[in-house]
Amino acid sequence: NAGVTQTPKFQVLKTGQSMTLQCAQDMNHNSMYWYRQDPGMGLRLIYYSASEGTTDKGEVPNGYNVSRLNKREFSLRLESAAPSQTSVYFCASSGGPRYETQYFGPGTRLLVL
Amino acid sequence: AQSVSQHNHHVILSEAASLELGCNYSYGGTVNLFWYVQYPGQHLQLLLKYFSGDPLVKGIKGFEAEFIKSKFSFNLRKPSVQWSDTAEYFCAVNGGGSARQLTFGSGTQLTVLP
Repeated sequence: NAGVTQTPKFQVLKTGQSMTLQCAQDMNHNSMYWYRQDPGMGLRLIYYSASEGTTDKGEVPNGYNVSRLNKREFSLRLESAAPSQTSVYFCASSGGPRYETQYFGPGTRLLVL
Repeated sequence: AQSVSQHNHHVILSEAASLELGCNYSYGGTVNLFWYVQYPGQHLQLLLKYFSGDPLVKGIKGFEAEFIKSKFSFNLRKPSVQWSDTAEYFCAVNGGGSARQLTFGSGTQLTVLP
């Protein structure tokens, strides 16, 4: 049981390049989330998926797109990376009897030059 | 909209000192409250949570938190900290929405000196 996994762990991009961050969970959770973590700002929700087939914007969705590929996988895409998107990105999932508890992946550190 | 305030941005303590980290939230309805911890270079881990019932909740590693509804607070406490408690601590709340989105505070960096 790996929990929540993310790839890659670290990525450097040039301004304007695109990339997709991958997230998968093996806990049979319905809901999945993407956050970004910036110093002094805590974690801010980018997008979430309440269940397979649905996605919704969070607090800071501009510049990102998401795909809920199936129940296990939830990807985050940067179409044209900007330096302001330099951050650490965390994926999380929640489900089960007390589904409010979210379980986090190890994070992807992204540097946009 | 819900929000969370963590008043202490950086706390420095010596080993064996007592710890209390403040957390206040704003939301008018029923809330679920969490404390997460992030050790250096690691991902967030759940420390403890409050859903209902006894307002004093105990978590892992000797941490506890008290929910005071009248003060909209959920402060984290530990009677005696250890060097290994050095980490960043995040308070979070969810109070609604179809997916129970979490709103996080800005975090408190705790440094414990040996």
